[in-house]
Amino acid sequence: EVQLVESGGGLVKPGRSLRLSCAASGFTFSSYSMNWVRQAPGKGLEWVSSLSSGSDYVYYADSVKGRFIMSRDNAKNSLFLQMNSLRAEDTAVYYCTKYSESLDLHQGNDHWGQGTLVTVSS
Amino acid sequence: DIVMTQSPLSLPVTPGEPASISCRSSQSLLRHTGYNYLDWYLQRPGQSPQLLIYLGSNRASGVPDRFSGSVSGTYFTLKISRVEAEDVGVYYCMQALQTPYTFGQGTKLEIK
Repeated sequence: EVQLVESGGGLVKPGRSLRLSCAASGFTFSSYSMNWVRQAPGKGLEWVSSLSSGSDYVYYADSVKGRFIMSRDNAKNSLFLQMNSLRAEDTAVYYCTKYSESLDLHQGNDHWGQGTLVTVSS
Repeated sequence: DIVMTQSPLSLPVTPGEPASISCRSSQSLLRHTGYNYLDWYLQRPGQSPQLLIYLGSNRASGVPDRFSGSVSGTYFTLKISRVEAEDVGVYYCMQALQTPYTFGQGTKLEIK
């Protein structure tokens, strides 16, 4: 069974840093691209970042570019999101998702973690 | 950025009746493979989103066949043939053609 378990969220002051983790199990983690998607309280979904299976390609939303760094450790089946210079507008539940492809054909974000809440407030 | 526009934003439905949600993209989501890179997700109350449909019309694993997706140009439709109580939640379309991947505003389906 595929499992994605996020951790590392919490209350942090503006300007500070936080590092989120996502522990993956139940699939060959090193073979899949992964995403971070966030959801501000009472709002819709917002894509944050994507990272290819071998960390060759990484993409960021403009709203986090230059402040967030997405990385992974395939040996430890773990995904990370280093969040620096946090702002109040970064307050959200952060989900890690498994991006599925077959023969280079998109098959969607087929598994999502339960999310971890990040609150940026003084 | 590709803008995704959903309608309606609120959808009250009687159990057993059909439901339809529309999503329009600001540009074509058709890739050279001939597929439209459009997903549908459902977020039930208090839960994480789950994948319903990918490539515009392909049901994800385990999704009941009462859910179907269709495409006409830049217009995408999610249909539920007979709504059940467990279908309550917010439905999102998402374009996966290019980054930044973008979501529609969400459509809240509720039971009458």
